[in-house]
Amino acid sequence: AQSVTQLGSHVSVSEGALVLLRCNYSSSVPPYLFWYVQYPNQGLQLLLKYTSAATLVKGINGFEAEFKKSETSFHLTKPSAHMSDAAEYFCAVTPNNQGGKLIFGQGTELSVKP
Amino acid sequence: EPEVTQTPSHQVTQMGQEVILRCVPISNHLYFYWYRQILGQKVEFLVSFYNNEISEKSEIFDDQFSVERPDGSNFTLKIRSTKLEDSAMYFCASSLNSGTGDEQFFGPGTRLTVL
Repeated sequence: AQSVTQLGSHVSVSEGALVLLRCNYSSSVPPYLFWYVQYPNQGLQLLLKYTSAATLVKGINGFEAEFKKSETSFHLTKPSAHMSDAAEYFCAVTPNNQGGKLIFGQGTELSVKP
Repeated sequence: EPEVTQTPSHQVTQMGQEVILRCVPISNHLYFYWYRQILGQKVEFLVSFYNNEISEKSEIFDDQFSVERPDGSNFTLKIRSTKLEDSAMYFCASSLNSGTGDEQFFGPGTRLTVL
């Protein structure tokens, strides 16, 4: 069965520092991959998605992620953290040809220190 | 900008009671989903719905759960006899297409507390 692993349930960075949130998936066939963000008391919002086009995907708010098939990874990065980036981040996959359900990782809470 | 809405934002119920969680998906979307997140755990898929029938459901979605699109705009999740372990945040989502990497748009969630 498909699974998603996010390394680190909590990541803390200083404002202006690099943000790196890790995501690995298990699949013999590259799935569709997503990063969602959840701000307090809000629903999940799509940051970016990989659907077998370019391996480097740019999303909203300056985030990007690189699909690496050899490492089965889809890590999320942002060069310079902003206080407003503090939120919960979820990596998710939709297995190919298995309908649209999303399989989520356990989430990573990002804290940004001034 | 169109958005998915959910009501109520918080529902408190007694164990054994029936609850109905309501969602209004984005109007031109065709695929609808329910997910739940137990406190401290990952978001889990419950069910997907298309063309007025369930297209896929998880092991969690047992006979106590049902979904309905009663009037072409609302999408409801019913839990017939709630258990303590049903306490969770329930998210509704909708998408235009399914299985093609389409974005799912999520509502803000309903927090269900079963006492």
